[in-house]
Amino acid sequence: SAVISQKPSRDICQRGTSLTIQCQVDSQVTMMFWYRQQPGQSLTLIATANQGSEATYESGFVIDKFPISRPNLTFSTLTVSNMSPEDSSIYLCSVGSGANYGYTFGSGTRLTVV
Amino acid sequence: AQTVTQSQPEMSVQEAETVTLSCTYDTSESDYYLFWYKQPPSRQMILVIRQEAYKQQNATENRFSVNFQKAAKSFSLKISDSQLGDAAMYFCAYLAGGTSYGKLTFGQGTILTVHP
Repeated sequence: SAVISQKPSRDICQRGTSLTIQCQVDSQVTMMFWYRQQPGQSLTLIATANQGSEATYESGFVIDKFPISRPNLTFSTLTVSNMSPEDSSIYLCSVGSGANYGYTFGSGTRLTVV
Repeated sequence: AQTVTQSQPEMSVQEAETVTLSCTYDTSESDYYLFWYKQPPSRQMILVIRQEAYKQQNATENRFSVNFQKAAKSFSLKISDSQLGDAAMYFCAYLAGGTSYGKLTFGQGTILTVHP
């Protein structure tokens, strides 16, 4: 299965600023997924990122707040824009290795907004 | 829309004992996949076990096994000979079939504590 390097692992940011999270995959993958995990909660899908096309956002998430880039088949970024304390969460990227292998996740970014 | 429900927010087990985590799901699909993921304090999501809906045989992976009841839409995880390293948040997840690269739907999670 794919191996994902996610950066940064954690950050403390001032409200009103933006943070860009990067995920690098060691193999080419068609689809990448970005999740948010609020403290003590489950994972909620933010968007699905395909290379060469606009990301598809889930209900409640908008591109202006969470812009995503997918410049090639091994890399994607998620930006959390104009942050507020409510954005404090763990953000994870994931790639599908096919249902036969399950999905692989990055190690997560723990974001704290103060 | 598919939903996944884990009704046990927290469970505990003694080391070396057996524990079962519950998961139910709702879907109108006949072809799908189910997964159990483990998330220790390190935040890393680790795939524990997977089950194809078209297979009647329950999946097993070493000390981990599932009880898949398709008609009841139930997918429980049994951990045998529990170890301290099994302590984590466990998530049940659903993937619609025919969409091998589609999105996972997660349950709310169950925090498992293992007592020495």
